[in-house]
Amino acid sequence: KQEVTQIPAALSVPEGENLVLNCSFTDSAIYNLQWFRQDPGKGLTSLLLIQSSQREQTSGRLNASLDKSSGRSTLYIAASQPGDSATYLCAVSTSTGGFKTIFGAGTRLFVKA
Amino acid sequence: DGGITQSPKYLFRKEGQNVTLSCEQNLNHDAMYWYRQDPGQGLRLIYYSQIVNDFQKGDIAEGYSVSREKKESFPLTVTSAQKNPTAFYLCASRGMEPRGYTFGSGTRLTVV
Repeated sequence: KQEVTQIPAALSVPEGENLVLNCSFTDSAIYNLQWFRQDPGKGLTSLLLIQSSQREQTSGRLNASLDKSSGRSTLYIAASQPGDSATYLCAVSTSTGGFKTIFGAGTRLFVKA
Repeated sequence: DGGITQSPKYLFRKEGQNVTLSCEQNLNHDAMYWYRQDPGQGLRLIYYSQIVNDFQKGDIAEGYSVSREKKESFPLTVTSAQKNPTAFYLCASRGMEPRGYTFGSGTRLTVV
């Protein structure tokens, strides 16, 4: 059974710092992995999606990597800004026995001005 | 712009009442999902539908019901049988390759 873990649960950094958020999963036979951002009281906004055959995806100051063999994905945020403060969730999808997605509980990020 | 619209944003339910949450998408996605989010917990799947007129129970379907009469619409009814319905409800859809999810803005349901 796939399990998805995000550590730490919360993170506070000063503005301008580069940071890494982690997502671990137990079953390496994944279909894709998607990173989301959620602001308080809002829905999830998709940031990056990495296919199983890909190693990384980039969008602006964000870079997501995928290492299936070690069961890890990282979301790298460069030059963090107060506007980056939000909860970041990863979602791991598998297609064996039907398409299923497991969401991590998220990392709450606070960027201090 | 294509997207998912959830309404209402806030909903209050009295004890013993059924309430229906609306979810509409114009992304032409076949698959649609309802998730429940509680503070400090991950998203939990309530129901999903991969095609019109077909839907499947998720992990916490008890006390909920859905219908999928149109591709664009996937309403969720929270029945009186759901004993702890206060939560944030999220609707999502998923298209073909690369099969990523798009979420609505959510409905916060409170029992009064």
